[in-house]
Amino acid sequence: AQSVTQLDSQVPVFEEAPVELRCNYSSSVSVYLFWYVQYPNQGLQLLLKYLSGSTLVKGINGFEAEFNKSQTSFHLRKPSVHISDTAEYFCAVSEGAGGSYIPTFGRGTSLIVHP
Amino acid sequence: NAGVMQNPRHLVRRRGQEARLRCSPMKGHSHVYWYRQLPEEGLKFMVYLQKENIIDESGMPKERFSAEFPKEGPSILRIQQVVRGDSAAYFCASSPESGRGYEQYFGPGTRLTVT
Repeated sequence: AQSVTQLDSQVPVFEEAPVELRCNYSSSVSVYLFWYVQYPNQGLQLLLKYLSGSTLVKGINGFEAEFNKSQTSFHLRKPSVHISDTAEYFCAVSEGAGGSYIPTFGRGTSLIVHP
Repeated sequence: NAGVMQNPRHLVRRRGQEARLRCSPMKGHSHVYWYRQLPEEGLKFMVYLQKENIIDESGMPKERFSAEFPKEGPSILRIQQVVRGDSAAYFCASSPESGRGYEQYFGPGTRLTVT
């Protein structure tokens, strides 16, 4: 079965600074990887996803993530954050053939952007 | 194209009462997933349904919880004889195909409070 670890429960950062939110996964088969964002009192919305191909994936709102198979990681980055990026970020993984199609979500990382 | 709709958005129940949560998937989506989110925790998978079928209920508590997705109408998550520990946000998600490689589209959630 797959699992997801988000290493930081909270990441404070100043506005216009770069940020990286870390995500590691474990799986015995090929994986599909996702990052979702949740604003207060709302549902999750997709930021970006990796299915195959280029390991650098670009998403909405200036976010990007890099799939690193050898390190089983899928870290999320943004070069310059805004106050409006303050939210909860979830990494998720589902498996390819032979594995579980039900996505597993990490516990979330709270990104707090200070002015 | 309307997104995933959930109602009610907020639900207050006394211990021992029943809670019924509704989810209408996006138009054209026939796969529905229910998740529970507790404070400071990530999303926990509960059940995966297709029209008139429960595909995977491995995350559902064995007692008091049930789910359905009838041929017509919304998907319903029912919690009988609620207890304080059932207080959480319940999210519904839909996808056009099975979860493998497909992102999920989330509703705004129902926040259940048991008093």
